Amino acid sequence: EAGVAQSPRYKIIEKRQSVAFWCNPISGHATLYWYQQILGQGPKLLIQFQNNGVVDDSQLPKDRFSAERLKGVDSTLKIQPAKLEDSAVYLCASSPTRYEQYFGPGTRLTVT
Amino acid sequence: EDQVTQSPEALRLQEGESSSLNCSYTVSGLRGLFWYRQDPGKGPEFLFTLYSAGEEKEKERLKATLTKKESFLHITAPKPEDSATYLCAVHGAAGNKLTFGGGTRVLVKP
Repeated sequence: EAGVAQSPRYKIIEKRQSVAFWCNPISGHATLYWYQQILGQGPKLLIQFQNNGVVDDSQLPKDRFSAERLKGVDSTLKIQPAKLEDSAVYLCASSPTRYEQYFGPGTRLTVT
Repeated sequence: EDQVTQSPEALRLQEGESSSLNCSYTVSGLRGLFWYRQDPGKGPEFLFTLYSAGEEKEKERLKATLTKKESFLHITAPKPEDSATYLCAVHGAAGNKLTFGGGTRVLVKP
């Protein structure tokens, strides 16, 4: 079974630029999550989708972050404009149930 | 709000030296406690789910236990390949999400 796919794996941008990340979840998983993991910390949930509807986006900085899930499968996370403090690993996860989550390899973002 | 605290932050072990990692939590209505392993440059890898106090689960050299306030991950006779960051997370009844602790970085030296 193929795992969660993410791209790109690495991205370096300057502050105030925009960036987008892509995620393809495990086939058949209805729930998709985006997390932000700052170096040395645990992942923090940004947004959760159930099929193509948003379940929880309470910790998403909506003034600069946006996310969508097309046709209940792939998802993109966008940051516009980026700030220095956005430097982190962005993890995508999907779940076949309400609780058990499977993570992709992440995208490491560096904002200079 | 659900909270998870892991200790110690880092652990250096000699190969074969058994030890335990602690995960203390506060949650309103525990739906599940999760342990993940994370290698550098990779996403977290699912290890265990524990649902109720007294429950235990084992996988190779790892054993996870759960009480009403904390969980332990015991590493028995670790090998260098057990070196990783171990993350604990809880899923509470109030929210519909996992809350992670900061992780314990384990280094096992040969």
